[in-house]
Amino acid sequence: AQSVTQLDSQVPVFEEAPVELRCNYSSSVSVYLFWYVQYPNQGLQLLLKYLSGSTLVKSINGFEAEFNKSQTSFHLRKPSVQISDTAEYFCAVSVAVSNFGNEKLTFGTGTRLTIIP
Amino acid sequence: NAGVTQTPKFQVLKTGQSMTLQCAQDMNHEYMSWYRQDPGMGLRLIHYSVGAGITDQGEVPNGYNVSRSTTEDFPLRLLSAAPSQTSVYFCASSYFRANTEAFFGQGTRLTVV
Repeated sequence: AQSVTQLDSQVPVFEEAPVELRCNYSSSVSVYLFWYVQYPNQGLQLLLKYLSGSTLVKSINGFEAEFNKSQTSFHLRKPSVQISDTAEYFCAVSVAVSNFGNEKLTFGTGTRLTIIP
Repeated sequence: NAGVTQTPKFQVLKTGQSMTLQCAQDMNHEYMSWYRQDPGMGLRLIHYSVGAGITDQGEVPNGYNVSRSTTEDFPLRLLSAAPSQTSVYFCASSYFRANTEAFFGQGTRLTVV
């Protein structure tokens, strides 16, 4: 079974500073990797995903994540954060097989990003 | 396009009461699931369905029942509420492939007293 570890439960960052949110996964088979964002009092929404190909994937609002197979990591980065980036960020993994029941998303415990003005 | 709609948004139950959390999607997704979100524990899968008439248990199924009579609807039933079921519940839907995006509802905040 797959699992996801987000080591940092809270990350405070000053406005316009860079940030990295860490995510490590474990799986015995190939995986798809996702970052979801949850703004206050809302549901989760997809931020970006890695399926195959280029290991660096980007979102429309300046976030990027790099898939590192040797380190089993998928860290999320942004070079300059804004107040509007305040949210909780969840890393998730889905295994790349098609048997019944294996397409379940497994989430990490989340990282709360707080931007300090 | 409404996406995934959950009702109610808030609910307070007394211990032992039963209730149904409603979830509906209008995207013709095969796959639907229920998660609960608790502080420090992320999202944990309760039950899921890969199509009408097909459901299975997730990580934390005890105390919950589901059924899927249509593609659109996937209600979650609490049989006899307990304080340990106080949580925020999210319904999600997606196409039945591992590489597709999951769409989430706005959540139901449930308190059991």
